[in-house]
Amino acid sequence: KQEVTQIPAALSVPEGENLVLNCSFTDSAIYNLQWFRQDPGKGLTSLLLIQSSQREQTSGRLNASLDKSSGRSTLYIAASQPGDSATYLCAVEDTDKLIFGTGTRLQVFP
Amino acid sequence: DVKVTQSSRYLVKRTGEKVFLECVQDMDHENMFWYRQDPGLGLRLIYFSYDVKMKEKGDIPEGYSVSREKKERFSLILESASTNQTSMYLCASSLSPQGLHEQFFGPGTRLTVL
Repeated sequence: KQEVTQIPAALSVPEGENLVLNCSFTDSAIYNLQWFRQDPGKGLTSLLLIQSSQREQTSGRLNASLDKSSGRSTLYIAASQPGDSATYLCAVEDTDKLIFGTGTRLQVFP
Repeated sequence: DVKVTQSSRYLVKRTGEKVFLECVQDMDHENMFWYRQDPGLGLRLIYFSYDVKMKEKGDIPEGYSVSREKKERFSLILESASTNQTSMYLCASSLSPQGLHEQFFGPGTRLTVL
């Protein structure tokens, strides 16, 4: 059974820092991996999708990498801003559904 | 822009009531999903649908049913609401085939069952 783990569960950093969020999964037979952002009490916003054949994807200050063989993905956020404060979720597509991690709660303070 | 809407942001119901949660997407997506999100448990899949009239059970279908009469609309039904169904409910959609396309989520419905 696929399990997705995110470390750390919470992170607090000063504005301007570069940071890395980690996601690991137990079964490497995935179709893709998706990173989401969730603001308190809101739905999920898709940030990046990495296909299983890809190694990384970039969008603005965000870069996500995927290493299927080791069952790991990282989300790199460059020059963090207070507006980046949110919970970040990773999810792997396994057969016909997404399996989610429990998220990393990020706070960026001025 | 991609858009998934849910009929209510907040809903309060009483134990035993029949509850309908509606989700509509305007992207002509084949796949639609219902999740619930609870602290410490993350998102869990309740039901999903690949096409009109089609439905598949997710990880926690007990106490729920779904209806998909039109491609753009996917309804989640709580036949007899119970207090343990108090949760945040999230609808999502994606374009077929699986694996190539991201899921887009609605804003969520926070349901409280008293």
